[in-house]
Amino acid sequence: ETGVTQSPTHLIKTRGQQVTLRCSSQSGHNTVSWYQQALGQGPQFIFQYYREEENGRGNFPPRFSGLQFPNYSSELNVNALELDDSALYLCASSLADRGDTQYFGPGTRLTVL
Amino acid sequence: RKEVEQDPGPFNVPEGATVAFNCTYSNSASQSFFWYRQDCRKEPKLLMSVYSSGNEDGRFTAQLNRASQYISLLIRDSKLSDSATYLCVVRSGTYKYIFGTGTRLKVLA
Repeated sequence: ETGVTQSPTHLIKTRGQQVTLRCSSQSGHNTVSWYQQALGQGPQFIFQYYREEENGRGNFPPRFSGLQFPNYSSELNVNALELDDSALYLCASSLADRGDTQYFGPGTRLTVL
Repeated sequence: RKEVEQDPGPFNVPEGATVAFNCTYSNSASQSFFWYRQDCRKEPKLLMSVYSSGNEDGRFTAQLNRASQYISLLIRDSKLSDSATYLCVVRSGTYKYIFGTGTRLKVLA
């Protein structure tokens, strides 16, 4: 096990609603990245947080936002949900100054109806 | 052209076979390379990092060819438990990790 945890495991929402997903990084890891994985696709990078600051962002609209807390846990917030937001959301933690291997949590499967 | 491309497969091989996957990347400045394994409806798990000198871990061998911008994964003596999707990952820049769509492998008894 990687020590990265995510909650909830599954979630069902309707279009237009808002959702918050949570991630606890592996002990000592100060960097958290979030990914969206649609069925049959590879994970797509959403953004990365390093020491509570957004460190980089992929091609996702502003309704995808995040936070990182002093204990390095993180949240992903998605506003105005759309049907295409249905996916597996993965977070990955890493230690920025110890190489760049990322370790993934089990993911949150979001279904938007 | 996608930044990281993989043959989606599926590759159906008998137990004991040797199978190889390739992955190409478009950014010549890419810095780090990895293979991850993903089982159905589970999270990706690091299989191995890929170095220019090549690296081996048991039945698995990874190679990087920077000149041709591809990485490869060779699996020898395939086991039923090797059935999974293999994801090629390339890091370009400080934070940008780009995943391929994955190659599905099914090892048949």
